[in-house]
Amino acid sequence: GAGVSQSPRYKVAKRGQDVALRCDPISGHVSLFWYQQALGQGPEFLTYFQNEAQLDKSGLPSDRFFAERPEGSVSTLKIQRTQQEDSAVYLCASSSRRDSTYEQYFGPGTRLTVT
Amino acid sequence: AQKITQTQPGMFVQEKEAVTLDCTYDTSDPSYGLFWYKQPSSGEMIFLIYQGSYDQQNATEGRYSLNFQKARKSANLVISASQLGDSAMYFCAMREALSGGYNKLIFGAGTRLAVHP
Repeated sequence: GAGVSQSPRYKVAKRGQDVALRCDPISGHVSLFWYQQALGQGPEFLTYFQNEAQLDKSGLPSDRFFAERPEGSVSTLKIQRTQQEDSAVYLCASSSRRDSTYEQYFGPGTRLTVT
Repeated sequence: AQKITQTQPGMFVQEKEAVTLDCTYDTSDPSYGLFWYKQPSSGEMIFLIYQGSYDQQNATEGRYSLNFQKARKSANLVISASQLGDSAMYFCAMREALSGGYNKLIFGAGTRLAVHP
């Protein structure tokens, strides 16, 4: 079956622009995560959804970052007034298990470059 | 706070040889899980292997095995019979249990593995 997909794969934004990154999880997966991966680093947790409920947004770096999953499937990560420090790969992951004890399935990521 | 440490920024190995990638962790939680992921240049994270803290035996998945030493808080990944396609970044991760009955992953900084012919 299809894996996790993300779009766009690459995004170049001028500083100050708003961007929206999309994640299509594996069908039926309850848990959805967003991670931010800076160049040369491991991914860092941003936020977590269980179905449509955003249960944890403690990793969002500022109030310019906003995520939603209104129908419990597709999720969108929005970044307002982008800054250069927002340049990173944004990874989405989903898991069929409520407690995501086992593997999370990752998408290919969206590479955001803010100029 | 939980922490994952990968001290090898880069490793190289000859094709068909075995290689060990190091990972140490720190946690006060008696129940935890450790993961290894592979990230090729295409960018996606590929799950390789999982070890639970209460698992009695070291996890194995094909050419991947996990050398789990609980007392040393280490969970090293062993890749046997390296292949050119194994060249990638490798990340060790730990699940952190949070209130609400769910977990997030804490990742190390990664090790870049290069397999030479």
